[in-house]
Amino acid sequence: DAGITQSPRYKITETGRQVTLMCHQTWSHSYMFWYRQDLGHGLRLIYYSAAADITDKGEVPDGYVVSRSKTENFPLTLESATRSQTSVYFCATRGGSSYNSPLHFGNGTRLTVT
Amino acid sequence: GIQVEQSPPDLILQEGANSTLRCNFSDSVNNLQWFHQNPWGQLINLFYIPSGTKQNGRLSATTVATERYSLLYISSSQTTDSGVYFCAVVQETSGSRLTFGEGTQLTVNP
Repeated sequence: DAGITQSPRYKITETGRQVTLMCHQTWSHSYMFWYRQDLGHGLRLIYYSAAADITDKGEVPDGYVVSRSKTENFPLTLESATRSQTSVYFCATRGGSSYNSPLHFGNGTRLTVT
Repeated sequence: GIQVEQSPPDLILQEGANSTLRCNFSDSVNNLQWFHQNPWGQLINLFYIPSGTKQNGRLSATTVATERYSLLYISSSQTTDSGVYFCAVVQETSGSRLTFGEGTQLTVNP
């Protein structure tokens, strides 16, 4: 049981390019989340999804787009990458229909925008 | 929004020592989790503890929700305990969003 798989693990892209980070889960958890982790800022929520076709903004959504056509996948797209989006991106899931269950993280994607 | 403060920001220990990490939060919460981020960057779920006390091996955690704090105890520390420890909370009013503290950087020296 792979749990949460993020791909790629590492990505280098150029400013202005579009890049998509993938997140796949095998648990059929309802909730999925995207966080970014930067030095000095801890983990900040970008977008989250309560179920297929339901998404909502987090703290820092600007410059990102998400979709969730299937329960198991939650891709994050940077439409036109900027250097400020260089970060480590974590996908997470939570089972159940409310906040009363633990969050589980993938191994992260380290993105560098040159 | 809710504020989550962790202390100390940095902690250096000798192997075998005990330590206590603290997480204070500014409002009532419905969910609290402790995570360990190891030197390879992986975030490991340690405890889901909105209230009460839990133990897992050398680690234990206590949350006193009425006083808005949680403590993580590490006993007989090992070098593999090194990394960053995060506290994260959820409020019902914020939906499903977890708000993270800035973390405690723990270094355990042999």
